[in-house]
Amino acid sequence: DTAVSQTPKYLVTQMGNDKSIKCEQNLGHDTMYWYKQDSKKFLKIMFSYNNKELIINETVPNRFSPKSPDKAHLNLHINSLELGDSAVYFCASSQGQTLQPQHFGDGTRLSIL
Amino acid sequence: GENVEQHPSTLSVQEGDSAVIKCTYSDSASNYFPWYKQELGKRPQLIIDIRSNVGEKKDQRIAVTLNKTAKHFSLHITETQPEDSAVYFCAASSGADGLTFGKGTHLIIQP
Repeated sequence: DTAVSQTPKYLVTQMGNDKSIKCEQNLGHDTMYWYKQDSKKFLKIMFSYNNKELIINETVPNRFSPKSPDKAHLNLHINSLELGDSAVYFCASSQGQTLQPQHFGDGTRLSIL
Repeated sequence: GENVEQHPSTLSVQEGDSAVIKCTYSDSASNYFPWYKQELGKRPQLIIDIRSNVGEKKDQRIAVTLNKTAKHFSLHITETQPEDSAVYFCAASSGADGLTFGKGTHLIIQP
């Protein structure tokens, strides 16, 4: 059973479109995250979400918005996609916000044409 | 915010030798330091972590050391094997704002 699952695995779309990436975890964790990994493999936190508290990395454009229908899901919506949004997006989860290991999903490779 | 520096960016060692990767962090409030291994096209996988109340932790061929005073921590892999080839990331966290990662070390194990 996959602990943290993301869909789709690949997403190819045109500039200016709006798209969503879904994430689900079956670990019973209460905190979920989105990370962006750019072409140089640099991993950067975008959001963390715990008990309806959202913490946003200040460098993330407001075109990106996380949505959590329940504790096991944290989806990522992206409006007006730009070329620079091309990257691999990883969802992760942990039990608690501090001192706990984070488990990553397999990633979604987003390519903007 | 936190800043994590990682060195070297590429490390090539002979199979069977040891590999050491070093990281420094800037935020003295950071108290959790995980290491992740990422193979090509795969997700980052946690290989070992250490909390700030501990100076050293070992798991078979992998060990991590933490020096809180100097704000640096290191990953040590002994008796390296071909399957250890991957990109390794250090990270630091002080709480709810997620992990701050280093830029990664590409470890190459030469046969």
